[in-house]
Amino acid sequence: KAGVTQTPRYLIKTRGQQVTLSCSPISGHRSVSWYQQTPGQGLQFLFEYFSETQRNKGNFPGRFSGRQFSNSRSEMNVSTLELGDSALYLCASRFESYEQYFGPGTRLTVT
Amino acid sequence: GQQLNQSPQSMFIQEGEDVSMNCTSSSIFNTWLWYKQDPGEGPVLLIALYKAGELTSNGRLTAQFGITRKDSFLNISASIPSDVGIYFCAGQSDSNYQLIWGAGTKLIIKP
Repeated sequence: KAGVTQTPRYLIKTRGQQVTLSCSPISGHRSVSWYQQTPGQGLQFLFEYFSETQRNKGNFPGRFSGRQFSNSRSEMNVSTLELGDSALYLCASRFESYEQYFGPGTRLTVT
Repeated sequence: GQQLNQSPQSMFIQEGEDVSMNCTSSSIFNTWLWYKQDPGEGPVLLIALYKAGELTSNGRLTAQFGITRKDSFLNISASIPSDVGIYFCAGQSDSNYQLIWGAGTKLIIKP
């Protein structure tokens, strides 16, 4: 089975712009979670989608949003980018409530 | 809210040494997961634990699900250079399926 894929792998944006990141889960997995990881920091949970519905949400401002499509693919959007949004954004998928499998991440740099 | 304390924060080890790290929770969990992350990549699942008292091995790695269901530990025997990285624990209760993450243990090889 193919693993979790994320596109793009690297991205450079300017403050004030918006960005959309994409995640394709492992085939058969209906849950997709998104995390933000800044240098030297742990995994900060953004949100989880299950069967197109947001199941859980972390403590991030409304500039961070996501959605999931009927094929379980997910997108994450960040509007009005700030310098502090520079981070590795990780997507993870799982079959219902079991262990999560991570993608390689998207490295976002905001200048 | 639920919190996970992971310790130690970092460890300097010599090749061949045994390593031990643990996570404790303020809440009861029904699942404990252990991951390893190499720089710039997504975390990789090492071991999943589903039952209190369960002891599971994966090569030189051994993890246990604490009897109280509020803690778990990971041991690495006879460490080698490729063990360097950040190890994360994660726990889940069945109430909302959200994974709660530890802050990570960074393993560094002494020169």
